[in-house]
Amino acid sequence: QKEVEQNSGPLSVPEGAIASLNCTYSDRVSQSFFWYRQYSGKSPELIMSIYSNGDKEDGRFTAQLNKASQYVSLLIRDSQPSDSATYLCAVMGNDYKLSFGAGTTVTVRA
Amino acid sequence: GAVVSQHPSRVICKSGTSVKIECRSLDFQATTMFWYRQFPKQSLMLMATSNEGSKATYEQGVEKDKFLINHASLTLSTLTVTSAHPEDSSFYICSATSGDTEAFFGQGTRLTVV
Repeated sequence: QKEVEQNSGPLSVPEGAIASLNCTYSDRVSQSFFWYRQYSGKSPELIMSIYSNGDKEDGRFTAQLNKASQYVSLLIRDSQPSDSATYLCAVMGNDYKLSFGAGTTVTVRA
Repeated sequence: GAVVSQHPSRVICKSGTSVKIECRSLDFQATTMFWYRQFPKQSLMLMATSNEGSKATYEQGVEKDKFLINHASLTLSTLTVTSAHPEDSSFYICSATSGDTEAFFGQGTRLTVV
């Protein structure tokens, strides 16, 4: 599988703050990028997908993609305790296989 | 998003027995399904890729005779863990895609082999 690296965390932020998650990938031909949220003991849940360079916003979440730098990030604005979870960066190759990062655990302090 | 149903959510079996896990795409045709295994505090590790009507492709190090995968229709794939042992205890997760879109995950199956 291709390499996907995430900032290791854990990341602790106060309620209302911005949580910033970073991810780099090794396969330059990758075209599809995803952020999943996984609560303990549960399956991953897709929260953002991004396919072209730039920013994509969806509610309190903003994904940023820079293919030249092979970098994708996720910002969570106005963090809530319910955002406390592990966030997985995933990159899809031409074979439709997803390669996952190790995940970054986020804790939002009330 | 699309719905992928995985069953059972939890199963406990005796060592040496076999367990079948089903993965269904409820509202779309899944040309490709993936099976993952996740150990505690680790990320998802891809076990195999299955395409409807063809043999599954296994990742390196995954025993195809132990983890039997069948993708008989565009909405159903099954994973059978044969002759299960305690070290097979894990969280097994399927995902499905129609090809050029996001992959959607099932709820996962917590397998415990005693």
